[in-house]
Amino acid sequence: DAGVTQSPTHLIKTRGQQVTLRCSPKSGHDTVSWYQQALGQGPQFIFQYYEEEERQRGNFPDRFSGHQFPNYSSELNVNALLLGDSALYLCASSLDGWVRGNTEAFFGQGTRLTVV
Amino acid sequence: RKEVEQDPGPFNVPEGATVAFNCTYSNSASQSFFWYRQDCRKEPKLLMSVYSSGNEDGRFTAQLNRASQYISLLIRDSKLSDSATYLCVVSNTGGFKTIFGAGTRLFVKA
Repeated sequence: DAGVTQSPTHLIKTRGQQVTLRCSPKSGHDTVSWYQQALGQGPQFIFQYYEEEERQRGNFPDRFSGHQFPNYSSELNVNALLLGDSALYLCASSLDGWVRGNTEAFFGQGTRLTVV
Repeated sequence: RKEVEQDPGPFNVPEGATVAFNCTYSNSASQSFFWYRQDCRKEPKLLMSVYSSGNEDGRFTAQLNRASQYISLLIRDSKLSDSATYLCVVSNTGGFKTIFGAGTRLFVKA
């Protein structure tokens, strides 16, 4: 049983470009959350998708957008990249209700994005 | 004030020591609490959920104090393999939005 898989693992982009990161959740999971983790910091919540809709959003600008597909996989899109967007982007999958303490969230290994 | 704050660390302890981490949160309506562990350049992994009554899993004990709005993690008989960053996680806003602390780095020495 594959866990959460993210692609690509590493990415280098130029300032102003756009990037798409992908996440396949653990089998049976229906909820995907995205996080940004800068070096030496804890993960920052970007947004959560459930039933193909953005259910909750953190304090991130509209340059950050996402999508969830019928098979529960998800994409994170970032437009007009800034140097400050360089970070590890983590995807977490869960069954609906994780943050109510019902089930565990599993993280992928992340995509390390470098903006130059 | 940050929504979730943790001990700054790093903590350097010898094998066999007992170490405690604290975490405070600002939103009294927070609903769920967790401790995650993150190894260097790896993804976070759930260590344990934190319940109001307190809970224990082997050498690890987690406690929640809603009145004072803090969470603690106690590690007894530290092992070299416990070296990692420990992340405090709190859910807010109806239970969907999750907030991580910045993490506390633990080094266990032989």
